[in-house]
Amino acid sequence: AQKVTQAQTEISVVEKEDVTLDCVYETRDTTYYLFWYKQPPSGELVFLIRRNSFDEQNEISGRYSWNFQKSTSSFNFTITASQVVDSAVYFCALRRDTGTASKLTFGTGTRLQVTL
Amino acid sequence: NAGVTQTPKFRVLKTGQSMTLLCAQDMNHEYMYWYRQDPGMGLRLIHYSVGEGTTAKGEVPDGYNVSRLKKQNFLLGLESAAPSQTSVYFCASSSRTVKSEKLFFGSGTQLSVL
Repeated sequence: AQKVTQAQTEISVVEKEDVTLDCVYETRDTTYYLFWYKQPPSGELVFLIRRNSFDEQNEISGRYSWNFQKSTSSFNFTITASQVVDSAVYFCALRRDTGTASKLTFGTGTRLQVTL
Repeated sequence: NAGVTQTPKFRVLKTGQSMTLLCAQDMNHEYMYWYRQDPGMGLRLIHYSVGEGTTAKGEVPDGYNVSRLKKQNFLLGLESAAPSQTSVYFCASSSRTVKSEKLFFGSGTQLSVL
């Protein structure tokens, strides 16, 4: 069975602080895909990144960076110099490499509150 | 530039009533999904479809039915609503192309069953 754990339920930071959101996953598959989605107050989930299990290179996109470590089954997400607009619920998700549809197993989410 | 549109946005039902949630996408996506979001549980897949006329069960399908008569529409039905079905429902769609395997979500339907 697959499982995604986001142990941090809620994080509060002051603007310009760096913050890391943790994601730990469980799977017996050798090939799988990991995702991060953002859910702003408007409610609609927005795709941030997709990573496959063979690509352990860290990725940086502007203020966002992702650290994928197979040895610890983690796919952590860091926001550098956080801004109020980063306030949202962030979900980590996992997909098996079976079938063609993108059936995701989501974590329970981490609510990030960025204040001035 | 609509993307994924869900109707209605809010609904209150009494136990035993039925209703249908409509999802429409204008991106010509092959795949469509229905998720429910509950506090402390993240999103869970109810049903999904890989093409017109085909549907399949997800993680929590009991109490729901779906239909995909047209490629752009995916309907979620509750035949006899129960309080346990109080939730926020999200529809999503995705393309068959692996490289663009991101889900596009609708804005959600908040359903309360009394």
